[in-house]
Amino acid sequence: NAGVTQTPKFQVLKTGQSMTLQCAQDMNHEYMSWYRQDPGMGLRLIHYSVGAGITDQGEVPNGYNVSRSTTEDFPLRLLSAAPSQTSVYFCASSWGLASGANVLTFGAGSRLTVL
Amino acid sequence: GESVGLHLPTLSVQEGDNSIINCAYSNSASDYFIWYKQESGKGPQFIIDIRSNMDKRQGQRVTVLLNKTVKHLSLQIAATQPGDSAVYFCAHGDRSGNTGKLIFGQGTTLQVKP
Repeated sequence: NAGVTQTPKFQVLKTGQSMTLQCAQDMNHEYMSWYRQDPGMGLRLIHYSVGAGITDQGEVPNGYNVSRSTTEDFPLRLLSAAPSQTSVYFCASSWGLASGANVLTFGAGSRLTVL
Repeated sequence: GESVGLHLPTLSVQEGDNSIINCAYSNSASDYFIWYKQESGKGPQFIIDIRSNMDKRQGQRVTVLLNKTVKHLSLQIAATQPGDSAVYFCAHGDRSGNTGKLIFGQGTTLQVKP
């Protein structure tokens, strides 16, 4: 049981390049989400999904796209990277949103640097 | 807008002492609160949660206290150990539209001195 797996762990991009951060979970969780973590800012929600085929925006969605074609996978796409997107990105999942089911399990993080 | 804040960015305690990490929130409609621990280079890990119909909840060596009157949340760690050194985040559940989105505070770094 691997939990939440994120790849890559580290990535360096040039401004304007595109890339996808991968996230996979093997716990059959319905809810998945992406957060970014910046110094002094805590974790901020980018996008989330309550099930396959359903996605929605969080607090800071601009510059990011997501899709949820399967229950297991929730990739985060940067179409044209900007230095402001330099951050550590965390994927998280949970059974659902109801009380007792909404404790998030986080991945180990992906550190992205945009030059 | 909503915010979740911690009173101190860093807390230093002696091994064996009790630690108290504080958190304030602004949204009086929040009904779910949760504490996470993040060790260096790792993702946040669930510690304990509490719903707004409770004032106190205990786990193994940890206790969460909720004071809804002053919108204050605290995490108490008994007999703090070196392995407790980490960044601690409080978060509250945003129940608008039943989305269940968590809003995180900025984190308190707990340093345990041997």
